[in-house]
Amino acid sequence: AQSVTQLDSQVPVFEEAPVELRCNYSSSVSVYLFWYVQYPNQGLQLLLKYLSGSTLVKGINGFEAEFNKSQTSFHLRKPSVHISDTAEYFCAVSDTGGYNKLIFGAGTRLAVHP
Amino acid sequence: NAGVTQTPKFQVLKTGQSMTLQCAQDMNHNSMYWYRQDPGMGLRLIYYSASEGTTDKGEVPNGYNVSRLNKREFSLRLESAAPSQTSVYFCASSEDTYEQYFGPGTRLTVT
Repeated sequence: AQSVTQLDSQVPVFEEAPVELRCNYSSSVSVYLFWYVQYPNQGLQLLLKYLSGSTLVKGINGFEAEFNKSQTSFHLRKPSVHISDTAEYFCAVSDTGGYNKLIFGAGTRLAVHP
Repeated sequence: NAGVTQTPKFQVLKTGQSMTLQCAQDMNHNSMYWYRQDPGMGLRLIYYSASEGTTDKGEVPNGYNVSRLNKREFSLRLESAAPSQTSVYFCASSEDTYEQYFGPGTRLTVT
């Protein structure tokens, strides 16, 4: 069975500052990793995904994440945030065996202040 | 191209009432999913359908049933609603890219 831990439930940050949202996972099998974003009163939208290959993955809106297999982590980073990045961010994992069943973390609420 | 649509957007039920949440996708995806979202718990998979004609339980299937009516539509039924089923419900679909596309959600309150 897999599980996902998002280490911070809330992250406040000032506009134009860098941010890192932390995600650790546990799994006994190979996994795919995802970050989704949810803006208020909306569904989830994919930010980026790691399936294989380069461990540094770039996504939309200037976000990137690094897969670290030895530390079972997949932290999300952005060098300079905007007010519009205020949202909830979810890390998710699925095994590589098929059916793409996602296991989500509890979410991290990013609040960007002017 | 509407993506994934869900109806209704909001619903209030009394304990014991039944209802069906509807979901449709126009992307010709094989797989469809139902999740519930509760504060502090992220999203949890209720049921999924890997292809037309098949359905399987997810993490939290108790109290729910599903129907994969055709390739486009995947409905979720609450036979006898309970306050513990107060939640926001999301439908999603995916193809081989492993990206899931989510609908806008249904906010359900059971009193």
